[in-house]
Amino acid sequence: KAGVTQTPRYLIKTRGQQVTLSCSPISGHRSVSWYQQTPGQGLQFLFEYFSETQRNKGNFPGRFSGRQFSNSRSEMNVSTLELGDSALYLCASSLGPGQGASEQYFGPGTRLTVT
Amino acid sequence: QKEVEQDPGPLSVPEGAIVSLNCTYSNSAFQYFMWYRQYSRKGPELLMYTYSSGNKEDGRFTAQVDKSSKYISLFIRDSQPSDSATYLCAMSPYYTGANSKLTFGKGITLSVRP
Repeated sequence: KAGVTQTPRYLIKTRGQQVTLSCSPISGHRSVSWYQQTPGQGLQFLFEYFSETQRNKGNFPGRFSGRQFSNSRSEMNVSTLELGDSALYLCASSLGPGQGASEQYFGPGTRLTVT
Repeated sequence: QKEVEQDPGPLSVPEGAIVSLNCTYSNSAFQYFMWYRQYSRKGPELLMYTYSSGNKEDGRFTAQVDKSSKYISLFIRDSQPSDSATYLCAMSPYYTGANSKLTFGKGITLSVRP
């Protein structure tokens, strides 16, 4: 079974621009969560989507948004990029609500560099 | 106080050693406990997933959960150079709708010397 895939793997953007990252979950998984990983803060939860609805949200500004499509694929968007948004953005998939929600499998991540 | 504390490391051991990695937590709502392994420039890989207190074994890996002390551990027996990676503990609460949010420790980098 194929794992979680994320595109692109690397991205370089300029301050003020916006960026869209894509995630395809494991086949059969219907929940997608996004995390930001930085050396200083570690892994931090951004948001989770299930059935095209955001079910859970972390403590990030409104510049960070996401969506999920009917095939469970998800995108996250960051608008008005800041230097501090440079990070590894990780997508994780799980079966969905219930006990399986926390059994999450991660993709390889998208490394975003903001200059 | 952070919700999840993990020994910062780094940790260096000789090949064949038994490795003990630990995390403590303060939120008594945490009911699911996970250990992830992350190689450089890769995404985290789920190693162990536990719900109840006690031990869970998978090959050379044993996960231990002590809810009364709010303490979890990962033991690696007969450590190999291929075990060299960053190890992250993660936890989530039980209640429906929120147990998708994993709270992670900062991670500890392990190096196994041949």
